[in-house]
Order: sequence, then C-alpha cells, then structure tokens
Amino acid sequence: GNSVTQMEGPVTLSEEAFLTINCTYTATGYPSLFWYVQYPGEGLQLLLKATKADDKGSNKGFEATYRKETTSFHLEKGSVQVSDSAVYFCALSDRGGSYIPTFGRGTSLIVHP
Amino acid sequence: DGGITQSPKYLFRKEGQNVTLSCEQNLNHDAMYWYRQDPGQGLRLIYYSQIVNDFQKGDIAEGYSVSREKKESFPLTVTSAQKNPTAFYLCASQVGTDTQYFGPGTRLTVL
Repeated sequence: GNSVTQMEGPVTLSEEAFLTINCTYTATGYPSLFWYVQYPGEGLQLLLKATKADDKGSNKGFEATYRKETTSFHLEKGSVQVSDSAVYFCALSDRGGSYIPTFGRGTSLIVHP
Repeated sequence: DGGITQSPKYLFRKEGQNVTLSCEQNLNHDAMYWYRQDPGQGLRLIYYSQIVNDFQKGDIAEGYSVSREKKESFPLTVTSAQKNPTAFYLCASQVGTDTQYFGPGTRLTVL
C-alpha cells in the first residue's frame, strides 16, 4: 500500500533560518505529491503540489521537488518567519483511482523571533 | 467565495448523547471526507463518500455515522457508542484524485 514518512518534530528555528522538512513516500504507480499547512486551531490548506517527476511546486517562498529516483518530496524555505509556525503535512494522491489520499503524521515548526 | 463550512466551531457533549457535526461545500465536488485529529497526531479517516447516497467506512468508523443525501452536505453523527470522542474533526472535499479542500474544523469535547 501507499505510505508517507516525514521527519518528526518539533522543528525549532530562529527567524530567517533555512528550513528543510523531509518527506519520503512509497506508492504504486505515479502519485501526485502535496504539502499542506495547518495553522493553530484551523483546518489544513494546500501549500504546494507536484504532479510528475522533477516538477517543482512553490508557494509563499516554500519549494519542494518531486524526486522519483529517491521517492522524496522535501519541503524547503530559505528564510522562515515567525508567521510560518504551523504543522506541515506531506501527502500523496494515487492517480490510479483511489479517492483516499495518504497523509504523513505532520511536522510541527516553531519559529522564534 | 467557494469553500467548505463546518459548524459549530466548538461542541460539547454529555455522556450518552448523540451529536451531529455539519459540513457543507459549494465547490461542486463529488467526494467528501471526515477525519479525526487528536493532539499531536495526524489525520485518521472516519468515513468518505464519492457520490450522493453512497459512503464507505474509513479506518475508525466505529461509533460514528454519516449520510449523503445532497452533494453539498455530509453531516457526521458522533454516537454514544464512541467512547472517546474528544477530538478535532475535519471535513474535506476533493475533485477526482487531486487536492483536498478542508473546512475550519469542529472541536468536540465530552463533559
């Protein structure tokens, strides 16, 4: 079956530091890959996505590249802000027909001023 | 604006009570989902529905029930059989196998 593994948190950084949150996956076929963000007390919202190998998704300074050879989709940001503090979820969607996406357990990011 | 609404934002349940959480979407999506989120935990799928008048159990359906009488609506009932219902409940919709769109959530607390 499909699975998503992401690094355990919390990840604690100072403002303007470089961020990497690792995500690896196993899937049959060629999934679409997603990063969602959840701010405290809210629902998840899409941050970025990539639908095929070597695609780079980007939004709000965050980037992630779909690496088929390493089955990875690591999230990066060059300079984090306090407002980036949230929980980040990596996910995949099997375009082979399953309507149920697979989510990682989430990684909490805490950014200090 | 298109989106998903959930109500109420906060809900309190007494022992032995059934409570119903509302989820409405105006995105014209066929598929809708209910997830449960516990502190520090990921998402666990309760029920999902791909079309009107049809739904399937997810990983933790025991103690919950749903209906899908309209495309726009997918209410979740937490029954008295659910022994530990205190959690954050998230509703989502999806078109095809693409992005999921989430509501703002309902926080349920057992008194």
